[in-house]
Amino acid sequence: GEDVEQSLFLSVREGDSSVINCTYTDSSSTYLYWYKQEPGAGLQLLTYIFSNMDMKQDQRLTVLLNKKDKHLSLRIADTQTGDSAIYFCAERDSGGYQKVTFGTGTKLQVIP
Amino acid sequence: EAQVTQNPRYLITVTGKKLTVTCSQNMNHEYMSWYRQDPGLGLRQIYYSMNVEVTDKGDVPEGYKVSRKEKRNFPLILESPSPNQTSLYFCASGRDRNSYEQYFGPGTRLTVT
Repeated sequence: GEDVEQSLFLSVREGDSSVINCTYTDSSSTYLYWYKQEPGAGLQLLTYIFSNMDMKQDQRLTVLLNKKDKHLSLRIADTQTGDSAIYFCAERDSGGYQKVTFGTGTKLQVIP
Repeated sequence: EAQVTQNPRYLITVTGKKLTVTCSQNMNHEYMSWYRQDPGLGLRQIYYSMNVEVTDKGDVPEGYKVSRKEKRNFPLILESPSPNQTSLYFCASGRDRNSYEQYFGPGTRLTVT
């Protein structure tokens, strides 16, 4: 089946850039997502990218997709303490019934 | 306010005692799904529903049941809970099969002793 992998932990200093990486195995992915989970809360969609795009930028967030290597990254510029959370990478296959496979999540710790 | 609600938010129970976790959405979404979140394993899909009376197994359905009698509700039923079902459970909904976004509930933390 599909597999989505992420490193479990990332620590950065406030004001630096954070880069969270993700690899996936499903070559028929249509959408790739980044969700954010703050402590004690559910997941919120942060951003997404279509599989035919290479890059998407949204304010401080930049998503890069390397479809050949099946590698997705999320860059957060000027990281703030409010960015501390768990970030989940997810991919949706082409089946159309919203089969979404989530990664293990990366816990981002921002040091003041 | 558009939202997905779950009840209860926290539950401690004993092995074998049947329980139901409710999920309700007020967005008229066709698609609903249940996930469990475990440390180091991310979110794994338990069951999903494409519409009323249409449900299907996800990746980890063993020990769980669901029903979709109304569009807004998608309860998760544990007929005989076991300790390995101790987890954080999330319900999610999406507009339809073509929608790119799922909306998540706040989670239910279940402990089975």
